[in-house]
Amino acid sequence: SQELEQSPQSLIVQEGKNLTINCTSSKTLYGLYWYKQKYGEGLIFLMMLQKGGEEKSHEKITAKLDEKKQQSSLHITASQPSHAGIYLCGAGGGSQGNLIFGKGTKLSVKP
Amino acid sequence: DGGITQSPKYLFRKEGQNVTLSCEQNLNHDAMYWYRQDPGQGLRLIYYSQIVNDFQKGDIAEGYSVSREKKESFPLTVTSAQKNPTAFYLCASSIGTSYEQFFGPGTRLTVL
Repeated sequence: SQELEQSPQSLIVQEGKNLTINCTSSKTLYGLYWYKQKYGEGLIFLMMLQKGGEEKSHEKITAKLDEKKQQSSLHITASQPSHAGIYLCGAGGGSQGNLIFGKGTKLSVKP
Repeated sequence: DGGITQSPKYLFRKEGQNVTLSCEQNLNHDAMYWYRQDPGQGLRLIYYSQIVNDFQKGDIAEGYSVSREKKESFPLTVTSAQKNPTAFYLCASSIGTSYEQFFGPGTRLTVL
């Protein structure tokens, strides 16, 4: 079955700095989802990527899917405390056709 | 407003007791899911349902049970057979499997 590996596991950055989170798949990705979670809360959908080379942006967050469709990156420009949380990538590939998720990247932003 | 709700937000259970977690959605989604989240382990699928009156076991179904009598509702029962039930439980729904999933706010279950 497919596995998603996220790196880094955790990240602490100074406010205003840029950062990148990676999500690597063991198989070709057919639909890659990025979610954000604040501690103790549900997941908030950020973006979905489907095509190789696709890039999407929302406010200061940009997500890309590489041409081979096995890796995605999430880039935050000029980080703010409001960006703090856990970022999870998800993709189709579960044994029952469901989404599977990476273990998440915990982001802390120091003011 | 359309969305997905879970209740209660916090739940405490004594060992040996069964408890039921509620999940309701008004998004008219066919598929619903239950996940368990433990620190450092990401989300693990417990059960999912693609349609009313049908559900399938996920990766960690032992000690859990579900029902899907209505499209809007997908309650999860944590039984006494679940050896380590303390966790954060998330319910989600989607138009179908492999589509974007919408998540509820979660229920934190603690066994005393």
